[in-house]
Amino acid sequence: EAGVTQSPTHLIKTRGQQVTLRCSPISGHTSVYWYQQALGLGLQFLLWYDEGEERNRGNFPPRFSGRQFPNYSSELNVNALELEDSALYLCASSTKSGQGTYEQYFGPGTRLTVT
Amino acid sequence: GIQVEQSPPDLILQEGANSTLRCNFSDSVNNLQWFHQNPWGQLINLFYIPSGTKQNGRLSATTVATERYSLLYISSSQTTDSGVYFCAVNRDDKIIFGKGTRLHILP
Repeated sequence: EAGVTQSPTHLIKTRGQQVTLRCSPISGHTSVYWYQQALGLGLQFLLWYDEGEERNRGNFPPRFSGRQFPNYSSELNVNALELEDSALYLCASSTKSGQGTYEQYFGPGTRLTVT
Repeated sequence: GIQVEQSPPDLILQEGANSTLRCNFSDSVNNLQWFHQNPWGQLINLFYIPSGTKQNGRLSATTVATERYSLLYISSSQTTDSGVYFCAVNRDDKIIFGKGTRLHILP
């Protein structure tokens, strides 16, 4: 069974540009989560999509946005990139959230460098 | 919101040693997971353990939900156990990760 996949693996962008990261969940999973991990730091929760709807978002500015498609894959968009957006972006998926009893599985991440 | 604290922040051990990592959380949670992040950044699921005890080879975990803590035990450490160990909790559609324990296993 294929795990969570993310693309691209690495990305270099210039400050002010826009970037789109992609995530495909494990087959049968309907929830997708996005996290940011700056170098040497912990994971910061970004976004949670469940069956196409945004279920929750973390404490990030509106230039971080995303969506989930009917096939449950997801995109994370970051506009007006800033140097501090340089980080590893991790995507996770789980089966349908119900009573908070899900289990998350993570993809390999996309490493974004903003210069 | 819920606070998640992991201890110790860093741990250096010789190969073959045993270790105990702790995760404290400030309120009741719906679930708790332990992850190992390898040097390449990949997060590996270790345990999904909102309560009780589970074992998987040299690793085991115990969560005492009523006392709001979870423990991860690693026995007979190997160099491949090095990395960062995170616990993550969920409650009310909020997901919070601890800051992790960085484990160094020396050969």
